[in-house]
Amino acid sequence: KQEVTQIPAALSVPEGENLVLNCSFTDSAIYNLQWFRQDPGKGLTSLLLIQSSQREQTSGRLNASLDKSSGRSTLYIAASQPGDSATYLCAVTGAQKLVFGQGTRLTINP
Amino acid sequence: GAVVSQHPSWVICKSGTSVKIECRSLDFQATTMFWYRQFPKQSLMLMATSNEGSKATYEQGVEKDKFLINHASLTLSTLTVTSAHPEDSSFYICSAVLHTHNSPLHFGNGTRLTVT
Repeated sequence: KQEVTQIPAALSVPEGENLVLNCSFTDSAIYNLQWFRQDPGKGLTSLLLIQSSQREQTSGRLNASLDKSSGRSTLYIAASQPGDSATYLCAVTGAQKLVFGQGTRLTINP
Repeated sequence: GAVVSQHPSWVICKSGTSVKIECRSLDFQATTMFWYRQFPKQSLMLMATSNEGSKATYEQGVEKDKFLINHASLTLSTLTVTSAHPEDSSFYICSAVLHTHNSPLHFGNGTRLTVT
């Protein structure tokens, strides 16, 4: 059974810092991994999708990497801003469909 | 980009009544739609997968007679919570995808259901 773990559960950093969010999964047989952002009481916004054959994807200040063999992904956020404050979820798609991590609640302090 | 519209965004209902939640893909045809629920401070849990024109596939532990899913067209799926109880109060989110596995999921903004 696929399990997805995100560390840390919560993170608070000053504005302007670069930061890394971690995601690990137990079953490497995945089709893709996706990072989402969720604002309180809102749905999910897709940030980056990495296919199983890819190593990383970049969008603006965001960079996501995937190491399928070790079951790990990281989301790197450069030059963080208060507007980046949200919960970040990673999810893997495999035989068991989409499995989400518990999320990392990120707070960027002005 | 692909847009998924979910309605209503919030609803309060009395125990024993039924509530219908709609999920529409506005600018693409979704072959598959997914329904999730999320309890406070927890991650999303998949409830069911619905493919247009066929019966939904429910995850283990999800009562199909309580959570009725209809996917009548490629742009609309509905979730009906029947005979709602306070423990059904949760955040329900739908997502839609054009092709499974290789395409990103697009999510609605969710529906906050409160059963009194």
